Formats: sequence, structure tokens, C-alpha cells
Amino acid sequence: AQSVTQLGSHVSVSEGALVLLRCNYSSSVPPYLFWYVQYPNQGLQLLLKYTSAATLVKGINGFEAEFKKSETSFHLTKPSAHMSDAAEYFCAVIMDTGRRALTFGSGTRLQVQP
Amino acid sequence: DGGITQSPKYLFRKEGQNVTLSCEQNLNHDAMYWYRQDPGQGLRLIYYSQIVNDFQKGDIAEGYSVSREKKESFPLTVTSAQKNPTAFYLCASSMGQGIDTQYFGPGTRLTVL
Repeated sequence: AQSVTQLGSHVSVSEGALVLLRCNYSSSVPPYLFWYVQYPNQGLQLLLKYTSAATLVKGINGFEAEFKKSETSFHLTKPSAHMSDAAEYFCAVIMDTGRRALTFGSGTRLQVQP
Repeated sequence: DGGITQSPKYLFRKEGQNVTLSCEQNLNHDAMYWYRQDPGQGLRLIYYSQIVNDFQKGDIAEGYSVSREKKESFPLTVTSAQKNPTAFYLCASSMGQGIDTQYFGPGTRLTVL
């Protein structure tokens, strides 16, 4: 089974609409979960991370994610999309706390329509 | 400014040539990582290093080599043994303590001609 699965390779929303990007993780991995954003031809920037503190995690640029153990989900949301949110978003987990390297989902490209 | 630099931004290679991608950080981080990104896929781990003079293979190390002679530097060599090297390569670093955040460089796009 995939360690982390992102449902929907492309998501399109209108400016001002709710953004919901889905991420499900394997229940066998430790609950160290991350969301990163990538703008075209650039590196990745951390949006937020969950490391077993509060289940609702607030990040930069108005994004937040809720850790739901019962659903093995860590979906990313933003109440109101801006044009500048158009980018690719990656959910990632740390599977091996000794190695500490990230295992990534396949990514979701967010389009924001005017 | 503290950060991670990668050079060059674009790199073209002829088949059969080895090329080296540079990654430098001035964040005083112990751990460094190399990832490969292909279109429509997430990033995959090539090599990582948690301390100077030590490094480990990641999930797709075949055809790649690294060195970690200095804390600040973690160069990646793409050898001729790598069958499909055209990709976007990202370097990252972290403090190397607990579940810490990885910071990424801007990437190098390698194209094999």
C-alpha cells in the first residue's frame, strides 16, 4: 500500500472558493505529516506539519490541515482561494524516524480561476 | 541570508557523460538530502547524509554517487550508469534532530541530449 496518497492530480477552484486538497496516509506510518507547496521551476516550501501535537494545524498563507486518525487523513484546506495559490501541493510523511527522509505523495496541481 | 543554493539551474548532458550537481547550505544543518522529481510524480529520495563523512543510499540510488566532505556541501554526481537521468533534482537540509523541517533548494533541471 502507498504510504501517502493524494486524491486528484488536478484541482480547479474559483477565486474566493474553498480549497480542499486530499491526503490519506497508511496507518502503518508514524503520524509525522507535512504539506509542501511548489511554484513552477522552484524548490518546495513548507506550508505546515503535524507532529502529534494539536490535530488542527495552521500554516502559512492561510492554509490549515486537520489530522484525523480514524480516517487516516490529513487534508489541506483554505477558506478562500487567491490567484497566488496556484501551484503544486505535496503531502509527505516521515516513515522512518531514524532516516528522517520524506516520502511524498504524487502531488496535486491547484488551478485558481478568476 | 541563510539558505540552500543549487547550481547550475539548468544542465545539459550528453549520453555517456558524468555530471555533478552542486548543493551548498549555510544553515549549519547536519542532515542533507537529494531528491529526484519526475513529472506527475512526487519526489523520490536518492541519497541522504546525517553527518559529515557519512551518507546512505535512498530509494533510487543506482547510477548516482555523492560525497560529504564538508558540512555545508553535498554534491551529487549523475553517472553514465543512470539510464534515465532527465529530471528535476532537489537538495534539502535539516537540523537532523527529531522530526525537524526539511528546507529545499531551488533545484537543478538536468536534460540529457
